[in-house]
Amino acid sequence: GEDVEQSLFLSVREGDSSVINCTYTDSSSTYLYWYKQEPGAGLQLLTYIFSNMDMKQDQRLTVLLNKKDKHLSLRIADTQTGDSAIYFCAENVDSWGKLQFGAGTQVVVTP
Amino acid sequence: EAQVTQNPRYLITVTGKKLTVTCSQNMNHEYMSWYRQDPGLGLRQIYYSMNVEVTDKGDVPEGYKVSRKEKRNFPLILESPSPNQTSLYFCASSSPRDLPHTEAFFGQGTRLTVV
Repeated sequence: GEDVEQSLFLSVREGDSSVINCTYTDSSSTYLYWYKQEPGAGLQLLTYIFSNMDMKQDQRLTVLLNKKDKHLSLRIADTQTGDSAIYFCAENVDSWGKLQFGAGTQVVVTP
Repeated sequence: EAQVTQNPRYLITVTGKKLTVTCSQNMNHEYMSWYRQDPGLGLRQIYYSMNVEVTDKGDVPEGYKVSRKEKRNFPLILESPSPNQTSLYFCASSSPRDLPHTEAFFGQGTRLTVV
């Protein structure tokens, strides 16, 4: 069955780069997503990558995909205090929109 | 503005007292679903609907019901809530017609506590 795994916690200093890692199991997934959840808020789509791509860059965000190892990572450059949140990795499991989520990585940015 | 609206945002109830959490979307999306979020488990799908009058179980459907009488609304019903249904609930909608990828839009969440 589908399973998405990610580490639960990451502490990073303001100004440093953050790297959040994720592994997934469904090789038929066409899109992989990163969602951000700030305290008390819903889920905000940060970025996504098509499965035939290796990398996608969007301002401070870089997504790397290693399809052979089923490994996805999100790098946030110059991490700011506003980046403190829970980050969810997700894969689509059908063309309708069902998503399989990881447990979420709590990112804490310290001054 | 495209949005998914859930109500209420916060709810405290007692075991066994039926409750309904409403969800409405204004994007004419066919697909709607409910997820629950629990620490260390991420989001897990409860029920989904592919269109009006078409609903099906997700990964954790026990103790929940849904209905889809209109395209825009997808209420989540807890007939007899129990403490293990204390959780953060999210409604989401999407459309397979949206290319190149199917983006899911999420509501703001409903924090439910069952005592």
